[in-house]
Amino acid sequence: DAGVTQSPTHLIKTRGQQVTLRCSPKSGHDTVSWYQQALGQGPQFIFQYYEEEERQRGNFPDRFSGHQFPNYSSELNVNALLLGDSALYLCASHRRTHNYGYTFGSGTRLTVV
Amino acid sequence: SQELEQSPQSLIVQEGKNLTINCTSSKTLYGLYWYKQKYGEGLIFLMMLQKGGEEKSHEKITAKLDEKKQQSSLHITASQPSHAGIYLCGAADYKLSFGAGTTVTVRA
Repeated sequence: DAGVTQSPTHLIKTRGQQVTLRCSPKSGHDTVSWYQQALGQGPQFIFQYYEEEERQRGNFPDRFSGHQFPNYSSELNVNALLLGDSALYLCASHRRTHNYGYTFGSGTRLTVV
Repeated sequence: SQELEQSPQSLIVQEGKNLTINCTSSKTLYGLYWYKQKYGEGLIFLMMLQKGGEEKSHEKITAKLDEKKQQSSLHITASQPSHAGIYLCGAADYKLSFGAGTTVTVRA
């Protein structure tokens, strides 16, 4: 049973560019959350998608946007990249009816130069 | 939002010794997760606690949630090099809110 899959694993972008990160949730899970983890810090909640809609959002600017597809997979888009956007981006999935069982992917390491 | 404070921030332990990590919440915890993370990698689920006074163990790791459900501890017995990593506590609401993490180094 595949867990949460994220792609790509590493990415280097230039300031001002745009990036798209992808996440496939664990089988049976319908809710996807995205987190940003800066070096030496705990993961910070970006937003959560369920039924193809953004349901909850953390304290992140509108440059961060997302999408969820009918197969529950999700994308995270970041526009106008800043150096401070360099971080590990983690995707987590769970089943909406069970507020537990969060499963995390291995993350995408984004470096902005 | 839920504020979680972890202590210590980091610790170094001799192989074979025990260690304890604490996680304190500003609000009542309705679900407390413990994860382990190797540097730069994803989070590995360890345990989840929901009830006051609950205690769970897996191999040499034991996690407890106090009766008031505002504090949790993670205890590792007879630490091994494989226990090295970053330990994160997370509070479940509509999302997970994490502490800053505790970095554990195990010295041979």
